[in-house]
Amino acid sequence: DAKTTQPTSMDCAEGRAANLPCNHSTISGNEYVYWYRQIHSQGPQYIIHGLKNNETNEMASLIITEDRKSSTLILPHATLRDTAVYYCIVRVKTYSNTGKLIFGQGTTLQVKP
Amino acid sequence: SAVISQKPSRDICQRGTSLTIQCQVDSQVTMMFWYRQQPGQSLTLIATANQGSEATYESGFVIDKFPISRPNLTFSTLTVSNMSPEDSSIYLCSVRGWSQRYNEQFFGPGTRLTVL
Repeated sequence: DAKTTQPTSMDCAEGRAANLPCNHSTISGNEYVYWYRQIHSQGPQYIIHGLKNNETNEMASLIITEDRKSSTLILPHATLRDTAVYYCIVRVKTYSNTGKLIFGQGTTLQVKP
Repeated sequence: SAVISQKPSRDICQRGTSLTIQCQVDSQVTMMFWYRQQPGQSLTLIATANQGSEATYESGFVIDKFPISRPNLTFSTLTVSNMSPEDSSIYLCSVRGWSQRYNEQFFGPGTRLTVL
């Protein structure tokens, strides 16, 4: 599975958009990009995933560059409850839905009042 | 999403003993995984729990230390054997292949283990 690179930490003002970058320059054509977050002492929470098209759901938007070498997770209106560690992960897409989620160190997002 | 429960939620154990952690899902899933999160660290995959066959372990993890069972499509156990203080971690069950959200992977609340 491709390796991802994320900034160690970021700050964001409450109410503003939080843009979290992720580099996955060795990604293959059959690998998904997943985003999870972990709020202190809880299990990771699924946010969104995509293959090559941009995706949006009720939590966030995922923007994947055309060459797929990087992506950005956008939280449109960050709140204090969005303070968490955010993980960007790539996973091989297989017919049998196998393939592992391997976590890196993630980005610690601090939303400030 | 799939609802995942783990038992126990936390435990304090003595060195040299073993603890079995249970993971129960409210619906059938194709894939189940066990992760470990040591204090202040990210998650590390221990193994993939395969239904009806032996688990597939990641590098650095062995069956004698972390035996896993998966008797059906909704249940799995992880045993931490012959524990030492270095095994103090949060152990998380994770599932994928829930019918309505097939490619999403969900995590349980974790079991916080302290070994004295």
